Amino acid sequence: ETGVTQSPTHLIKTRGQQVTLRCSSQSGHNTVSWYQQALGQGPQFIFQYYREEENGRGNFPPRFSGLQFPNYSSELNVNALELDDSALYLCASSLGGAGSPLHFGNGTRLTVT
Amino acid sequence: AQKITQTQPGMFVQEKEAVTLDCTYDTSDPSYGLFWYKQPSSGEMIFLIYQGSYDQQNATEGRYSLNFQKARKSANLVISASQLGDSAMYFCAMREGRRGDFGNEKLTFGTGTRLTIIP
Repeated sequence: ETGVTQSPTHLIKTRGQQVTLRCSSQSGHNTVSWYQQALGQGPQFIFQYYREEENGRGNFPPRFSGLQFPNYSSELNVNALELDDSALYLCASSLGGAGSPLHFGNGTRLTVT
Repeated sequence: AQKITQTQPGMFVQEKEAVTLDCTYDTSDPSYGLFWYKQPSSGEMIFLIYQGSYDQQNATEGRYSLNFQKARKSANLVISASQLGDSAMYFCAMREGRRGDFGNEKLTFGTGTRLTIIP
């Protein structure tokens, strides 16, 4: 069983640029969500996708956007990068349902300079 | 108000001893789930254990058990016979929502506890 994979593992961008992070869900999982984890903090929910539609969003501005594809892979796009966007971005997938654990990828470490 | 509170920023425990990591939560939703995740320095979040609000018994998974005290809104993680490989950050998290509520994947995490196992 293939787990959740994310790419790239590390990324350095300049303030004002745009970035796209990618995620391949665990086989059979139809729900994907993205989290931002600043250094020394717990992950913060960005948004989730279920059957290719965003159906939940955390307290993040519209410059954070995403897509889920028919094969359940996903992208996180961040426009107009700010220094505070520097963080570990985690993708998680699950089968859905209240008792299903989220399975996380290894994350993408984004540094904005 | 904090929804998940982990009051122990760091803990040091002797190898082979048991350790309890504290977690309290706050919700008005009668249906919720509580999760514990382990995050080694590599960054991956590893699922350890789950407890549903309607579960009558405390969850157990190998060396991990969850001490669920619903009236006190506490969900402490107990690791028995700690090992050097248990050294990591540990996060408590909660998902609110109805049972079988598909597409609700929002987890609210605490700030974590850094556990260090001493040989």
